[in-house]
Amino acid sequence: KQEVTQIPAALSVPEGENLVLNCSFTDSAIYNLQWFRQDPGKGLTSLLLIQSSQREQTSGRLNASLDKSSGRSTLYIAASQPGDSATYLCAVPPNSGNTPLVFGKGTRLSVIA
Amino acid sequence: KAGVTQTPRYLIKTRGQQVTLSCSPISGHRSVSWYQQTPGQGLQFLFEYFSETQRNKGNFPGRFSGRQFSNSRSEMNVSTLELGDSALYLCASSLAGRRGGPETQYFGPGTRLLVL
Repeated sequence: KQEVTQIPAALSVPEGENLVLNCSFTDSAIYNLQWFRQDPGKGLTSLLLIQSSQREQTSGRLNASLDKSSGRSTLYIAASQPGDSATYLCAVPPNSGNTPLVFGKGTRLSVIA
Repeated sequence: KAGVTQTPRYLIKTRGQQVTLSCSPISGHRSVSWYQQTPGQGLQFLFEYFSETQRNKGNFPGRFSGRQFSNSRSEMNVSTLELGDSALYLCASSLAGRRGGPETQYFGPGTRLLVL
């Protein structure tokens, strides 16, 4: 059974810092991995999807990497801003099909001005 | 393109009542999935619909049910509400729901249900 873990559970950094969020999964036979952002009380916003054949995906100040063999993904946020404050979740689909997505519990990020 | 929409956004019900939540996927998307999010359990999968058929189901009691219409809009129903059903209910849509295909899941804003 796939399990997804995110460490740390919470992170507080001063504005302008570069930071890394971690995601690990137990079954390395994944098709893709998706990173989401969730603001308090709101839905999930898709940030990046990395296919199993890819090692990295970039969108603006965000860079996600994937190492299937070690069961790890990282989300790198450059030059953090207060507007980046949110909970970041990673999720992987099952070996076949799109559901269920298995989510980590998330990392709650606070960027202090 | 409009994103995934969910109605209503907030609901307050009492124990024993039933509730119906609605989800309209992104235009052209045929797969709709539902998740329950609580502080203790995180995000848990309820069910997935594709072309009006339930394709996958999570480990929730039969009080939780759903359906999908020919226009891909989906509803979920919870009967005999319990206090523990208080949660944020999220739906997600994807383009074709291809088995094994890498697809971005797009989530709606959620419906926050409070059961008193």
